[in-house]
Amino acid sequence: AQRVTQPEKLLSVFKGAPVELKCNYSYSGSPELFWYVQYSRQRLQLLLRHISRESIKGFTADLNKGETSFHLKKPIAQEEDSAMYYCALKPTGFQKLVFGTGTRLLVSP
Amino acid sequence: NAGVTQTPKFQVLKTGQSMTLQCAQDMNHNSMYWYRQDPGMGLRLIYYSASEGTTDKGEVPNGYNVSRLNKREFSLRLESAAPSQTSVYFCASSDGQGVYGYTFGSGTRLTVV
Repeated sequence: AQRVTQPEKLLSVFKGAPVELKCNYSYSGSPELFWYVQYSRQRLQLLLRHISRESIKGFTADLNKGETSFHLKKPIAQEEDSAMYYCALKPTGFQKLVFGTGTRLLVSP
Repeated sequence: NAGVTQTPKFQVLKTGQSMTLQCAQDMNHNSMYWYRQDPGMGLRLIYYSASEGTTDKGEVPNGYNVSRLNKREFSLRLESAAPSQTSVYFCASSDGQGVYGYTFGSGTRLTVV
């Protein structure tokens, strides 16, 4: 079975500090991984896809198959980054996504 | 370009009442999904429809039914609401392979008293 684990429910940092939101997964195949973000009372939005190796809003995430991780990083946090972040896995051959429980990022001034 | 539209945005039901949550997408996506979002539990898949005419159970289907009315519309029905179904419900859609991720609706906040 597939599983996505986000060990931190809440991550609180000061503006300007580096941020790392952890995501570990359990899946026997080759996964497709995503990060979604949900700002206060808004819909979930796609932030990153691992296959595109892109940087969005200063965030990056690298797939580490050896550690089965897909941590989300940003070198300098901004107050507008405060939101709920979800890591998600798409099993090969299926359209459905399996989500982690989410991490709330709070960036204080 | 509306994307994924959900109605209603808010609803309060009494235990035992029924209701249907509506979802429509205008992106010509093949696949549609219903998730519920609960504190500390993230998003859990209720039902999904890989293509028009097909539906499949997700992780938490009990107490729900779905209808893929056409390519655009995918409804979720609660036949006899229970307090445990108090949640925020999200509809989403994706292209055939889901490679580009999901597009989500704005959610329905449902309270069952």
